[in-house]
Amino acid sequence: DAGITQSPRHKVTETGTPVTLRCHQTENHRYMYWYRQDPGHGLRLIHYSYGVKDTDKGEVSDGYSVSRSKTEDFLLTLESATSSQTSVYFCAISERQGAYGYTFGSGTRLTVV
Amino acid sequence: AQSVTQLDSQVPVFEEAPVELRCNYSSSVSVYLFWYVQYPNQGLQLLLKYLSGSTLVKGINGFEAEFNKSQTSFHLRKPSVHISDTAEYFCAVSDQQGGSEKLVFGKGTKLTVNP
Repeated sequence: DAGITQSPRHKVTETGTPVTLRCHQTENHRYMYWYRQDPGHGLRLIHYSYGVKDTDKGEVSDGYSVSRSKTEDFLLTLESATSSQTSVYFCAISERQGAYGYTFGSGTRLTVV
Repeated sequence: AQSVTQLDSQVPVFEEAPVELRCNYSSSVSVYLFWYVQYPNQGLQLLLKYLSGSTLVKGINGFEAEFNKSQTSFHLRKPSVHISDTAEYFCAVSDQQGGSEKLVFGKGTKLTVNP
């Protein structure tokens, strides 16, 4: 999607290694979110940010950390990847909360072997 | 906390037939409701949203949804589907907790349009 880029698009990593996924936006939106998508579970919120250095946990935050040192970048780190973290990860941005909805990135497909 | 139930995980239909994808949410308090579409190997795209006012909301690609407060439902409809509508559809509701507001998604409905 225009204005939001996720990298890498695909990654295969080994169990126990750290992994960092990047979300970059050019919209200057305040709110950023990380979701994971798994068959039968829909999208589940991992972490979100409501400003630079302001982050909070979502419903499935165990094993993940985030950082936001600049408005445009929101990093998701798997500290020690496990096979249960094999998933498609989506970043979303929002100018304001609630009624404005989200704009989603194209996703990162992560496979942990 | 809010929750969303999409009653059908898969819906197969023939081209040019009407379709309804069902969505129920958990709370009757004032909410914002959304439908998103995900085409294969892509991110989610906003189809339509209900904020207030008219209970019938029109979106892109000929889709519409009706907000029913008494039944806490927000079903998505299209009178005549095309092959290109084959995708996964997600219903979402805003959830305000602890001073912050986030979207909670249903598990999705895969719509398959057959020729």
